[in-house]
Amino acid sequence: RKEVEQDPGPFNVPEGATVAFNCTYSNSASQSFFWYRQDCRKEPKLLMSVYSSGNEDGRFTAQLNRASQYISLLIRDSKLSDSATYLCVVNQGKLIFGTGTRLQVFP
Amino acid sequence: EAQVTQNPRYLITVTGKKLTVTCSQNMNHEYMSWYRQDPGLGLRQIYYSMNVEVTDKGDVPEGYKVSRKEKRNFPLILESPSPNQTSLYFCASSLGKGGQPQHFGDGTRLSIL
Repeated sequence: RKEVEQDPGPFNVPEGATVAFNCTYSNSASQSFFWYRQDCRKEPKLLMSVYSSGNEDGRFTAQLNRASQYISLLIRDSKLSDSATYLCVVNQGKLIFGTGTRLQVFP
Repeated sequence: EAQVTQNPRYLITVTGKKLTVTCSQNMNHEYMSWYRQDPGLGLRQIYYSMNVEVTDKGDVPEGYKVSRKEKRNFPLILESPSPNQTSLYFCASSLGKGGQPQHFGDGTRLSIL
């Protein structure tokens, strides 16, 4: 079983749609969690950290469920510029990266 | 501007010809790391460094070397490159230990023929 698992997608959604990605992790001792965004052939960039109580940053909401060992990312009112691959990242003393979920927003 | 700088951005070379990919950060970060990214496999850590003169193997260290003589620089060395090292490479840095969010360089696309 992979340490961090994500649905690779692609998720194809129209502008304005709400889309959600889930990610599961295998190590219950994982300490902290992040979502990164990666545009095609470019470097990953930190999108947001994920806090136990859930957190929001504009149109983006992250949730953590420690009991079920998954984190989620919700994007509201999708924009064309949201098209990218979203990487789920788990801190187990070092960062473990998921393989990413690809999002394609169309007009 | 805070950044991680990698060079070269692109390189095509031949099997066995030693090469070095440089990485430099201007944020005074203690932690630096090298990753390779391959389709379907995601980012895998090659080597990391917690501070000057402190380096350790990541998940896929075979065929690579690193050094950390100065805090800002963390070069990746391929002594005898082989085709299976064709990949997209990223250098990253962060404050403190490896579990902090990391800043990535622009990436180096390496092709070994």
